[in-house]
Amino acid sequence: LAKTTQPISMDSYEGQEVNITCSHNNIATNDYITWYQQFPSQGPRFIIQGYKTKVTNEVASLFIPADRKSSTLSLPRVSLSDTAVYYCLVGVWEYGNKLVFGAGTILRVKS
Amino acid sequence: NAGVTQTPKFQVLKTGQSMTLQCAQDMNHNSMYWYRQDPGMGLRLIYYSASEGTTDKGEVPNGYNVSRLNKREFSLRLESAAPSQTSVYFCASSDGDTVYSYEQYFGPGTRLTVT
Repeated sequence: LAKTTQPISMDSYEGQEVNITCSHNNIATNDYITWYQQFPSQGPRFIIQGYKTKVTNEVASLFIPADRKSSTLSLPRVSLSDTAVYYCLVGVWEYGNKLVFGAGTILRVKS
Repeated sequence: NAGVTQTPKFQVLKTGQSMTLQCAQDMNHNSMYWYRQDPGMGLRLIYYSASEGTTDKGEVPNGYNVSRLNKREFSLRLESAAPSQTSVYFCASSDGDTVYSYEQYFGPGTRLTVT
């Protein structure tokens, strides 16, 4: 499983776009990149997943450069409710799919 | 559709006591997981079950046992609780059959304190 590196914490203000970058230098050919969000006292929640280029859904975008050694989660116009821990996971799908979570990035959104 | 449910929500044990954490999902998922989360840390996988009738060790299995009772239920047992097992325990499930099994659905967690 590829080791990932994320910033420990980030601060932002309401209405701003937030970009959280994850480094995964030893990503393997078959690895996917997945992001989860966790609010205090709750279990993590899947946000987005991608393999290459750009993926967008209703809550976020995921940018993956051609070499795939890093990825950036982009949250448009954050609000106070986006304050949470964000986890970047990299791994290959296999039956049962063991996820490995790191420490994550604490995002604090201020008014 | 309740998703993933866990019982109990809170539990306090004395060292050496045993208990079973219960987990159930109503999404007809094949795979189920148990994680623990310690303060300021990410989640660590204890055990997982890729399908009914199978279980495998994760990153931190020592001191735990699991049972995949049926497709819906996956329980975690602490035979002799230790203070080091004080943690928040999360159960999760996923489809397990496609690449979208990266999308795991988590329960609300059980906060366990061992004194």
